[in-house]
Amino acid sequence: DQQVKQNSPSLSVQEGRISILNCDYTNSMFDYFLWYKKYPAEGPTFLISISSIKDKNEDGRFTVFLNKSAKHLSLHIVPSQPGDSAVYFCAASLISGAGSYQLTFGKGTKLSVIP
Amino acid sequence: ETGVTQTPRHLVMGMTNKKSLKCEQHLGHNAMYWYKQSAKKPLELMFVYSLEERVENNSVPSRFSPECPNSSHLFLHLHTLQPEDSALYLCASSQGQGNQPQHFGDGTRLSIL
Repeated sequence: DQQVKQNSPSLSVQEGRISILNCDYTNSMFDYFLWYKKYPAEGPTFLISISSIKDKNEDGRFTVFLNKSAKHLSLHIVPSQPGDSAVYFCAASLISGAGSYQLTFGKGTKLSVIP
Repeated sequence: ETGVTQTPRHLVMGMTNKKSLKCEQHLGHNAMYWYKQSAKKPLELMFVYSLEERVENNSVPSRFSPECPNSSHLFLHLHTLQPEDSALYLCASSQGQGNQPQHFGDGTRLSIL
């Protein structure tokens, strides 16, 4: 039973256009959300995060939007560049019964930016 | 990113072998994690260490045994693994256990024959 879902396994976007990656979650106890980017043969790299008390966080070309009522977040990349081609993972954090913060990941969306 | 280093990058072992995966972080973090990523599955958290104490074991079989001798090093000792244990094993670290981003190594690709 996946608590964090990325329903689009892949996405293709033209260079210079906007890329929108979506993520849905089911557990209302998640209070912190992150996006990671992963190139082949490398580990995931932290990209941007957002606390559940906010609905938007921006960092350069990357903006994350959070809609708590819909349990939905999205990552916008604008303008998209060929170097953005990677797999993007959505992750959500909550505190476990043992008191540790745990990340739950989606399966990822492979973004291809076409020159 | 070279802040979290994992060795070896690739490992092939038989089911009766004993081997260890090593993780070292140079970020001054005090929490470390082991994750498993199997094909077509999301990353799954295996173990959490905070200040060198194990604080979480997510129902991982005993054939996986973690060790955290200090805040910079984390090991995953493997013995009598099964073919279904073939996966990418990722180590991560973070500053504290609060809502802080975790920084990942490049992983060890493990294949069980």
